[in-house]
Amino acid sequence: ETGVTQSPTHLIKTRGQQVTLRCSSQSGHNTVSWYQQALGQGPQFIFQYYREEENGRGNFPPRFSGLQFPNYSSELNVNALELDDSALYLCASSYTLDRDGYTFGSGTRLTVV
Amino acid sequence: AQRVTQPEKLLSVFKGAPVELKCNYSYSGSPELFWYVQYSRQRLQLLLRHISRESIKGFTADLNKGETSFHLKKPFAQEEDSAMYYCGLKPQGAQKLVFGQGTRLTINP
Repeated sequence: ETGVTQSPTHLIKTRGQQVTLRCSSQSGHNTVSWYQQALGQGPQFIFQYYREEENGRGNFPPRFSGLQFPNYSSELNVNALELDDSALYLCASSYTLDRDGYTFGSGTRLTVV
Repeated sequence: AQRVTQPEKLLSVFKGAPVELKCNYSYSGSPELFWYVQYSRQRLQLLLRHISRESIKGFTADLNKGETSFHLKKPFAQEEDSAMYYCGLKPQGAQKLVFGQGTRLTINP
């Protein structure tokens, strides 16, 4: 598999719970970004990791956190889930920090009830 | 703040007709602009970016800094062009893409 893979594909959680979403970057890519896409909206940038360090963050509260591992895979963690966190979460990887487009995964559909 | 506006949520044209998907942006610096496409049951994928000035699948887009626009055009629409299209802006020196709300393009036979 050379593309970006995300797991799980679907997830249902209860308000107040915590969730971890996972992403495997495309082979050769060292940068990973996470986006939240609410229904009917475009993706919104959550944060980006480069060489295991956070390298930019969007307007999301601290309960959204992430990790990047030495093999460039990544996790998105969301604590204290709220109903409004229900969305499609997209992972995107790239090789360089600038000028390249990103390769997106198929996303994880999170539903908070 | 950066903002991308796609004024049409839905656009429907007949096969063979010209198509234009509008994108306007708000940004004071020098942006990089992209168009991404999502076909039915597929993932979001890069269609084209303004710095490459290329034509992909017959689509072109020109950055107009005076009008702050990056409209996507194709002279003759094909049925396989039916998809969701997102315009994206990458601010200078930033590590994020700012997307518009998207336009759902439907090509009628």
